Amino acid sequence: EAGVVQSPRYKIIEKKQPVAFWCNPISGHNTLYWYLQNLGQGPELLIRYENEEAVDDSQLPKDRFSAERLKGVDSTLKIQPAELGDSAVYLCASSLGLAGFTDTQYFGPGTRLTVL
Amino acid sequence: QKEVEQNSGPLSVPEGAIASLNCTYSDRGSQSFFWYRQYSGKSPELIMFIYSNGDKEDGRFTAQLNKASQYVSLLIRDSQPSDSATYLCAVIVTGATNKLIFGTGTLLAVQP
Repeated sequence: EAGVVQSPRYKIIEKKQPVAFWCNPISGHNTLYWYLQNLGQGPELLIRYENEEAVDDSQLPKDRFSAERLKGVDSTLKIQPAELGDSAVYLCASSLGLAGFTDTQYFGPGTRLTVL
Repeated sequence: QKEVEQNSGPLSVPEGAIASLNCTYSDRGSQSFFWYRQYSGKSPELIMFIYSNGDKEDGRFTAQLNKASQYVSLLIRDSQPSDSATYLCAVIVTGATNKLIFGTGTLLAVQP
């Protein structure tokens, strides 16, 4: 079974430039998550989708970040314009979306963003 | 107070020893607890989850949960150098279905 796929794996941009990350979840997983992980920290949730609906985007900095999951499968996370502080690893995860508290999230390899 | 707390380490153990990784959480109503392993430069990989008080064993790994003390731990028996990684504790908080809150992780170093 293929895991969560992300691209690109690495991205280096100059500040104020736009950048986009792409994620393809595990087949059959209805719930998709975008996390940000800074060095030495645990992942922090940016946004969660159930199918194509964003059900938790409270931690997404909406002035510069946007995300979409148009057909309930692939998702794109965009930053425009990027700032130096956005340098981090952006992780995508997916889960079956089971009701209750036993739903298990599986992570993709991440995109390491460096903003110069 | 952070919602999920872990000692950042490094925790150094000799090969073959038992490594004990600890995690405390602040939300008394938390239901599910996950342990992820993260190698340097890689993404988190699920080791196991637990949601009932007591022990849960999977191979060399044992998760222990004590809800009264708001404490969850991971024991790794017969530690191997390949177990050297950061171990992330994650908790699903009350009223936020499927929202995982992660600790900062404990770096484990298994010495050959």
